[in-house]
Amino acid sequence: QKEVEQDPGPLSVPEGAIVSLNCTYSNSAFQYFMWYRQYSRKGPELLMYTYSSGNKEDGRFTAQVDKSSKYISLFIRDSQPSDSATYLCAISNTGNQFYFGTGTSLTVIP
Amino acid sequence: EAGVVQSPRYKIIEKKQPVAFWCNPISGHNTLYWYLQNLGQGPELLIRYENEEAVDDSQLPKDRFSAERLKGVDSTLKIQPAELGDSAVYLCASSRAGTENTEAFFGQGTRLTVV
Repeated sequence: QKEVEQDPGPLSVPEGAIVSLNCTYSNSAFQYFMWYRQYSRKGPELLMYTYSSGNKEDGRFTAQVDKSSKYISLFIRDSQPSDSATYLCAISNTGNQFYFGTGTSLTVIP
Repeated sequence: EAGVVQSPRYKIIEKKQPVAFWCNPISGHNTLYWYLQNLGQGPELLIRYENEEAVDDSQLPKDRFSAERLKGVDSTLKIQPAELGDSAVYLCASSRAGTENTEAFFGQGTRLTVV
């Protein structure tokens, strides 16, 4: 079993829609949760970082962690064509071992 | 602050030839990672360094892959000889382990094509 599972999509939404991206993980010891955005032919870019449970909001982006369900989510409000990218979830336990999902490809249609 | 710098960005080589990738991490980051990313997949760890020590190289194919991080700063990843299946993006990342801010920051990657 992989440490973290992510639906690869692809996901296609109209501009302005709310996007929900999700991952599940297997080990309750994980405490650090991240979302990366990766544009085509670029390296992953850190988007959101959350420690332990709860929500974190940054502009149009909200990261949510539910440790009881081992479930993490990224919500994008008022999605824009510039949000079209692959979104990777990542989890970490000690802070220096990272496990990545396979990525969800998102296309926002103008 | 400069990010993680990798070179070259692209490399095309014939199979059985050697190839090397270079990475300069963010200043002050003692942890350095090399990841392999295939198309449509997430990054997979090849090797992790804490300063100059390789603390996790369990996924590194040691028959053909080697890495070094002299002086605990820059790092090189080498493949010799390259095989067709090595075509992928090789990502370098760094983090400042030991603090609460444990995010990993990535370079732009080196896209390797073996023909």
